[in-house]
Amino acid sequence: NAGVTQTPKFQVLKTGQSMTLQCAQDMNHEYMSWYRQDPGMGLRLIHYSVGAGITDQGEVPNGYNVSRSTTEDFPLRLLSAAPSQTSVYFCASSPHGGDTQYFGPGTRLTVL
Amino acid sequence: SQQGEEDPQALSIQEGENATMNCSYKTSINNLQWYRQNSGRGLVHLILIRSNEREKHSGRLRVTLDTSKKSSSLLITASRAADTASYFCATADSGGSNYKLTFGKGTLLTVNP
Repeated sequence: NAGVTQTPKFQVLKTGQSMTLQCAQDMNHEYMSWYRQDPGMGLRLIHYSVGAGITDQGEVPNGYNVSRSTTEDFPLRLLSAAPSQTSVYFCASSPHGGDTQYFGPGTRLTVL
Repeated sequence: SQQGEEDPQALSIQEGENATMNCSYKTSINNLQWYRQNSGRGLVHLILIRSNEREKHSGRLRVTLDTSKKSSSLLITASRAADTASYFCATADSGGSNYKLTFGKGTLLTVNP
């Protein structure tokens, strides 16, 4: 099993550009989530999904959209990138919410 | 908002010594988890302790949970240079949002050879 995969690993955007961060898991997990990690801030939850077709907001959802059309994929869309969105983004999955989470390797995003 | 808060923020020890990190949280929980993050990598799950458990072991790791004090500790015995990493606690609330984990800011552990 590949586990949780994320693409790209690195990305540089200009302010106002949009892009999609990809996340996929092959463990048939129902629960998937997106976090951002900033220095000194730990991980903060952006959006999560408890199953295909069901998504909800986390702690810091503004500026991001998600969808969950399949169990395997959970893409994160930046609608109009801002410098404040410069961060490292992690996708995670687990069999159930509140359970052990399996993290992807992360995407390091810089917005100029 | 942060639920778990780790203490200390940074810890530096010699190889072979024990390392203890603490986590405090604010609300009732379903479980508490500890994760490790090596520099530039994703988080790796270490151990999960449920609210009705007081102590759990996994190899060189020992986790305790005191729900009356809303605190947990992670002990790494006989530390190795490879244990150098950031360690995070995460809590799953016992209320309606128990499907979300809330992470602390982490403890940076440095194990010197």
